Amino acid sequence: TQLLEQSPQFLSIQEGENLTVYCNSSSVFSSLQWYRQEPGEGPVLLVTVVTGGEVKKLKRLTFQFGDARKDSSLHITAAQPGDTGLYLCAGGPLGDSSASKIIFGSGTRLSIRP
Amino acid sequence: SQTIHQWPATLVQPVGSPLSLECTVEGTSNPNLYWYRQAAGRGLQLLFYSIGIDQISSEVPQNLSASRPQDRQFILSSKKLLLSDSGFYLCAWTRGGSNSPLHFGNGTRLTVT
Repeated sequence: TQLLEQSPQFLSIQEGENLTVYCNSSSVFSSLQWYRQEPGEGPVLLVTVVTGGEVKKLKRLTFQFGDARKDSSLHITAAQPGDTGLYLCAGGPLGDSSASKIIFGSGTRLSIRP
Repeated sequence: SQTIHQWPATLVQPVGSPLSLECTVEGTSNPNLYWYRQAAGRGLQLLFYSIGIDQISSEVPQNLSASRPQDRQFILSSKKLLLSDSGFYLCAWTRGGSNSPLHFGNGTRLTVT
């Protein structure tokens, strides 16, 4: 069974602090995507990482794909209250019978206190 | 531009009643279509995905089923709802392949009483 495990599950920090969210698996993924979801809405894509070791930056957010393509991390610098939300990683496991299957991680609920 | 419509937005159904949730995509052809379910504040559980008409993969054995009567229409059904079917149901589409981004509908909040 392919699983994507995220940690921490919950994180509450003060505005201006830095944080890192992790997404780990025992399976290899062709790529990993990161989404952010607001209550009552569908998730919205932040970034896709495709190459092992790849690093992508989106303003104060830095995403990294592990060399072995089994894990990824999201680092936020100087967190703002607007960063509050549910962060989800997702991907398609390599070697699965279908190249179109996309599974999600367990989610990290982030709360930034003003 | 492409849009995805999902309805209804909220639904309250008694245990044992049937279910039909509908999702349609506009502005693209032959999309990959997905149904996910989400418990409060948690990740998304993949229920079904489809790469074409009559090509539906089921990920979780349960009392739910999916159908794709038209290229851009995806329906989630149940003959008899269980309490455990309560949750937030999300439909999504991609152009194809697991590297393609998922585009989500606004979801259906289902409460089984």
